[in-house]
Amino acid sequence: EVRLVESGGGLIRPGGSLRLSCAASGFNVSTRHMSWVRQAPGKGLEWVSFIYKGGTSYYADSVKGRFTISRDIPKNTLYLQMDILRVEDTAMYYCAIYVYAEPSGYYHDYWGQGTLVTVSS
Amino acid sequence: SYELTQPLSVSVALGQTATISCGGNNIQSYNVHWYQQKPGQAPVVVIYSDNKRPSGIPERFSGSNSGNTATLTISGAQAGDEADYYCQVSDLRTVFGGGTKLTVL
Repeated sequence: EVRLVESGGGLIRPGGSLRLSCAASGFNVSTRHMSWVRQAPGKGLEWVSFIYKGGTSYYADSVKGRFTISRDIPKNTLYLQMDILRVEDTAMYYCAIYVYAEPSGYYHDYWGQGTLVTVSS
Repeated sequence: SYELTQPLSVSVALGQTATISCGGNNIQSYNVHWYQQKPGQAPVVVIYSDNKRPSGIPERFSGSNSGNTATLTISGAQAGDEADYYCQVSDLRTVFGGGTKLTVL
């Protein structure tokens, strides 16, 4: 059974750093494209970053240069390193499997339950 | 950057058909995917690649995509379909619509 479990969220002051983890089971993160999506309280979904199974990564403009997506294949875990955090980064952060959809484009298949990040002084 | 526009809210009588639109410039050139999100839960994909249903999604969910508008249709809406719905497209980036709150009356 495919399962994604996020952790690492919490309360952090502006300018601080946090690393989110997404522990995967039922599949190998090295064989799937993976994505992070966030949702501010009471707001809609916002894509944050994805990493192709080959290792290439992309970022939303709002986090580029501050966030880094990575994987630990032996631990079968996806990460999101978040630096220089801002109040507007406050959100529930979800990891998801990012699936190629014929004839083009990708969608988010399995999702975790999310981890809440609160950036506040 | 590419933008997707959804109505903030849609209401439908129990058992009737609900349609939720997703507007974007020449959206027909993209595969459009739809997610359902209930309060306190993670999103679930209900339609992918314009009109394909994942296993486990009821047949009453369908999708179409033409011109500048993609549409999610829920036929015979049930109380359990009340949720927020988001459309999404991707190229080198992923873009979500702002979301539509579906109310089943």
